[in-house]
Amino acid sequence: AQSVTQLDSQVPVFEEAPVELRCNYSSSVSVYLFWYVQYPNQGLQLLLKYLSGSTLVKGINGFEAEFNKSQTSFHLRKPSVHISDTAEYFCAVSPYNNNDMRFGAGTRLTVKP
Amino acid sequence: GAGVSQSPSNKVTEKGKDVELRCDPISGHTALYWYRQSLGQGLEFLIYFQGNSAPDKSGLPSDRFSAERTGGSVSTLTIQRTQQEDSAVYLCASSPQGGYTFGSGTRLTVV
Repeated sequence: AQSVTQLDSQVPVFEEAPVELRCNYSSSVSVYLFWYVQYPNQGLQLLLKYLSGSTLVKGINGFEAEFNKSQTSFHLRKPSVHISDTAEYFCAVSPYNNNDMRFGAGTRLTVKP
Repeated sequence: GAGVSQSPSNKVTEKGKDVELRCDPISGHTALYWYRQSLGQGLEFLIYFQGNSAPDKSGLPSDRFSAERTGGSVSTLTIQRTQQEDSAVYLCASSPQGGYTFGSGTRLTVV
């Protein structure tokens, strides 16, 4: 089965600073890629997804991610974070040929004033 | 309904008791998943149903855990002889393809 590695368990940043949350995956087949966000005491929401086409994907709240097939990465970026971006972020991968989605362990983004 | 519905939203049970958690997926979604999220931990895959295929049970942590999906729709996750380490939020999600929709979860507390 496919697997996902989120390289940073916690990322503290100051407000208005740029941030990158790293995600690498492993799969023997072509995959779809996703980022989900979980705000404190809330459920998971889809932030963005890569299915095909342009490797730069834009999501909600100013986030974007770039699919790099050669490096098997799908890093999430935002040029200027807000306090309200404090949340847990999960990277996920799903093969083209089925719905078997697997998640990374999550990265806790904490934005400080 | 419009979303994935899970019940109960909270469950407190005594150690050693059995519990059943229910998930109503979005109508027409062929895939259904159960995950567990322990305090401060990521999402742990438990089980995956796809249509009429045999489920992928590779994530179930022990034989105390089992799940069924009746008629390709509603799913029940059963935990027998609960232990304190079973305390977690149990999340259900359903999907056509191209991204899940999650339910709000069942918070299980074993005392």
